Amino acid sequence: GAVVSQHPSWVICKSGTSVKIECRSLDFQATTMFWYRQFPKQSLMLMATSNEGSKATYEQGVEKDKFLINHASLTLSTLTVTSAHPEDSSFYICSAREDRTSYEQYFGPGTRLTVT
Amino acid sequence: GQNIDQPTEMTATEGAIVQINCTYQTSGFNGLFWYQQHAGEAPTFLSYNVLDGLEEKGRFSSFLSRSKGYSYLLLKELQMKDSASYLCAVWDFNKFYFGSGTKLNVKP
Repeated sequence: GAVVSQHPSWVICKSGTSVKIECRSLDFQATTMFWYRQFPKQSLMLMATSNEGSKATYEQGVEKDKFLINHASLTLSTLTVTSAHPEDSSFYICSAREDRTSYEQYFGPGTRLTVT
Repeated sequence: GQNIDQPTEMTATEGAIVQINCTYQTSGFNGLFWYQQHAGEAPTFLSYNVLDGLEEKGRFSSFLSRSKGYSYLLLKELQMKDSASYLCAVWDFNKFYFGSGTKLNVKP
């Protein structure tokens, strides 16, 4: 089956620093990748949709200057949390879709971010 | 806006049957998904319904009524490992919207 990896799996950073999270599709080309965040005991909240070679589409309420998304290739998308604050601490999950008409999305294992 | 509702938590006994309901109101609809998520892990795909009716896959079945904006996930012969959160998600062709998830506790 299709595999999506995320790196790092967990990260601790200090307030004010930036953190980059990578999402890779290992055995397929992902035209679309989604970034979600999940707070404890809550469901996934879509942050943005990333299409290869174009700018990401952010959901309402998500600061595009704070959460920088780059989908530079068909197998890699990155999420950079800039000037992180403790309230950014969360579980970040990416998912990838092979083509725009496919309903299947494959989730990465997630990245636990803790900002101190 | 998009609205997807599920019960917050349910408890059932090992070996029993449990039904988890999901109601939705979304601007678009191209299918409804059920995912299982264990704590601290990514969701795993369980089922996909785009037409009305029941889809059966082993111990898990999923039902959809588009006219009622309603779906349920049926889990039979419950096992302890089924203790997890179950997420209902609607795909409107461009993006996926998730419900808040139902935490299922399976007790011996």
